[in-house]
Amino acid sequence: GAVVSQHPSRVICKSGTSVKIECRSLDFQATTMFWYRQFPKQSLMLMATSNEGSKATYEQGVEKDKFLINHASLTLSTLTVTSAHPEDSSFYICSARAGTGGLEQYFGPGTRLTVT
Amino acid sequence: GEDVEQSLFLSVREGDSSVINCTYTDSSSTYLYWYKQEPGAGLQLLTYIFSNMDMKQDQRLTVLLNKKDKHLSLRIADTQTGDSAIYFCAETFSQAGTALIFGKGTTLSVSS
Repeated sequence: GAVVSQHPSRVICKSGTSVKIECRSLDFQATTMFWYRQFPKQSLMLMATSNEGSKATYEQGVEKDKFLINHASLTLSTLTVTSAHPEDSSFYICSARAGTGGLEQYFGPGTRLTVT
Repeated sequence: GEDVEQSLFLSVREGDSSVINCTYTDSSSTYLYWYKQEPGAGLQLLTYIFSNMDMKQDQRLTVLLNKKDKHLSLRIADTQTGDSAIYFCAETFSQAGTALIFGKGTTLSVSS
């Protein structure tokens, strides 16, 4: 099946710094990628929809200036958490759809962010 | 608005069948999915079903959809300890580019 990778898998940073998380579709092109956030023992909450070549669409309550999303190519989307605070600590997961008509969403392995 | 509900825990013995249930509220759901998440890992797509289907079987997995009651279930036959994980059901509303709405997940614990 299709593979989505994320880098890094785990990151610890200090408050006030910025962290970039990469999401790559390894063997298919993804015009649309999604970024989710998962709190411990909770479901996944959609943060934003990332479309190649255009601005991301953010869900209500998600600060677009804090969570910067760039989808520069058909295989790469990045999420940058700016001026991170401890409450940003979470598990961030990306997913990608194969092509424009693909029904399957393939998920990355997730990135564990800890802000100290 | 959209809402997907699941029971939080299920405990079964190895070799038994597991049935994980899910209800959703939006009748315009088009596709319904089951994902598996092992500890500390991402989500693995197990199977999905179109809203015009009643049942789909794939090896040990059987998905049943009751569209009238907005009820989806996942049956795992001959459950193994390796099936222990969190199972999420999810829905989406159209074919092109919409995100998934997830339930809170059911933790399946399989004892030997």
